[in-house]
Order: sequence, then structure tokens, then C-alpha cells
Amino acid sequence: QVQLQESGPGLVKPSQTLSLTCTVSGGSLTSGGSFWTWIRQHPGKGLEWIGYIYFSGDTYYNPSLKSRITTSVDTSKNQFSLNLTSVTAADTAVYYCARESYDTLTGSYYGMDVWGQGTTVTVS
Amino acid sequence: EIVLTQSPGTLSLSPGERATLSCRASQSVSTTYLAWYQQKPGQAPRLLIYGTSSRATGIPDRFSGSGSRTDFTLTITRLEPEDFAVYFCQHYDSSRTTFGQGTKVEIK
Repeated sequence: QVQLQESGPGLVKPSQTLSLTCTVSGGSLTSGGSFWTWIRQHPGKGLEWIGYIYFSGDTYYNPSLKSRITTSVDTSKNQFSLNLTSVTAADTAVYYCARESYDTLTGSYYGMDVWGQGTTVTVS
Repeated sequence: EIVLTQSPGTLSLSPGERATLSCRASQSVSTTYLAWYQQKPGQAPRLLIYGTSSRATGIPDRFSGSGSRTDFTLTITRLEPEDFAVYFCQHYDSSRTTFGQGTKVEIK
């Protein structure tokens, strides 16, 4: 059973770069039919999609964050990562990584079926 | 950009009652790419429904999804105590994902 675990600093200073890693266990980052997503949730608010990455390295980002985001995969470590530059207090949130699944033959989409527990990042 | 609007913002119901949650898209979307999630305080969201009406693994059959084009519904036929939570709809396309703002189902 695939599990995800976020890791990274809980406190980041304004203007610095927020760096998070999501470790995939119980399965492979390179398995077909999966792509890997970052979501965040501001305190008391809804879910905001940050972006996703395929194991091939193809990426798609939220246009509102695109200029500050980079993501990467490390298949040797079964990890994917998020860097968010020039952070401000508005980037304070719980950050989740998730797996999105789809059928490679039919294109059917199976949703974000595995989530990490989330990690709280405070910019201060 | 597709915008998802959920209503109501808060639904106050008693255990055993039926809950009907709405998700309206700003333009017609494929049923294939519409999902619902449940989130309890301090927890990550959990996938309930994908493809508008397919229940995810382990989801009880009191949860059902329906809809097409711009109007989608999540129905909980008989609320159990553990169902009081926040529910989000989500739309995926090949280049981005959007979420509704959420509906809180609270105990009346």
C-alpha cells in the first residue's frame, strides 16, 4: 500500500525558499498511471492546488504560483520535491503531497487517492 | 479557468438525516474528471468519489455522487457521526486542478 510522507522545515524566514520533500513508500514513483501533486491549505481555508509532476519530469503548476515554483523527482530515492521561492506570510499553510491516479489506456481519472499527513509551514 | 462553487457553505443536520451537497462548475466539464473529498479537522483529505459517481476503495455506500455538465451532487443518505466534516469537490484537467471552497456538514 502506497504511503506518502512530507518532510521539511516547519519555519521559513520571509524572502527565503521553502523546500519540501515527499517520500513514497510501498510503491514506486515511476509506476504507470500516477502523477505526484502538491496541495496546500491556508489556516482555516480550503485546498489550493500548487502543481504536479510526472516521474518523467513533466510539470504543471498553478499559474498564480508558477513564477516561484520548481518541482523535481528523485527516482533513486523514490522522492519528489517542491521549492517555493521568495516566501511571505501568505505562504504559511499546511502542505500536502498526494498521488493522483489515472488509467493509462483509457485516460480515466481516479482522483487523489493517496495523501501524506501534511506538514505545517510557517513563514516568519 | 474552471471555477467550482459549492453550496451551501454550511449544512446543519442531525445523525440519520440525508445530506445533499452541490458543486457547480463555471463551464461544462467531463464527468470523468470530477471528484469529491472529505476532510476532518487535523487530517488530510480523503478521496470519496471519482469520476462523478464511483466510490473510492473502502467508502461506504451511503455516499453517492451524481451529476453532469455543470451541476454535480454528493449525497450522504443517512449521516453517521463520523460523517460530520468538510467536503470538497475537485476538477482535474490535463494542465491544472481546481477545488471548490468546501461545504461543512455540522451537527445540528
